[in-house]
Amino acid sequence: AQSVSQHNHHVILSEAASLELGCNYSYGGTVNLFWYVQYPGQHLQLLLKYFSGDPLVKGIKGFEAEFIKSKFSFNLRKPSVQWSDTAEYFCAVTPGGNAGNMLTFGGGTRLMVKP
Amino acid sequence: EADIYQTPRYLVIGTGKKITLECSQTMGHDKMYWYQQDPGMELHLIHYSYGVNSTEKGDLSSESTVSRIRTEHFPLTLESARPSHTSQYLCASSELGLAGVSNTGELFFGEGSRLTVL
Repeated sequence: AQSVSQHNHHVILSEAASLELGCNYSYGGTVNLFWYVQYPGQHLQLLLKYFSGDPLVKGIKGFEAEFIKSKFSFNLRKPSVQWSDTAEYFCAVTPGGNAGNMLTFGGGTRLMVKP
Repeated sequence: EADIYQTPRYLVIGTGKKITLECSQTMGHDKMYWYQQDPGMELHLIHYSYGVNSTEKGDLSSESTVSRIRTEHFPLTLESARPSHTSQYLCASSELGLAGVSNTGELFFGEGSRLTVL
């Protein structure tokens, strides 16, 4: 079975700082990778996803993530964070192809951006 | 905007009570899921369904049960709540995907039901 590790449980940044949240997964086959975000008081929503093709994917609100197959990683980045980015971020993986949607989530990273 | 709704949002209840957490979606999705999330912890899949009359247990063992009598409805029931059931329960749905074709993989989540058992 696959697993997902998010190494940073809590991150505190000042506005305009750059962000990188780590995500590593363990699975031997092809994978689909996701980042979900949960803003305070709101439901989980998709930030970006990777299925195939260009390993650098861009999502909403200026976020991007890079799939590095050799490192089993899918780190999330943003060049300049805003106070409104304060949220909890979850990395998730599912087997590629038509294996269904059995998403496995990481433990989440709680980001706080100080104004 | 996701059209998936959970009720109640918050529930505080005594030990031994029977509770049902409701989940409904209006997107016509075939697949539905229940995840359990403790504070600061990862989401654990406890139940899922491929469609009407289909229910499967997830990765995390749970004393709860689910039913899928209608496509849009996927309630979760605890026959006798205990303090160890205190957690947040998240419902989600997704498209099933056609045979031989990868589906999008995106899950749409409800806002969650936070259960506290005293």
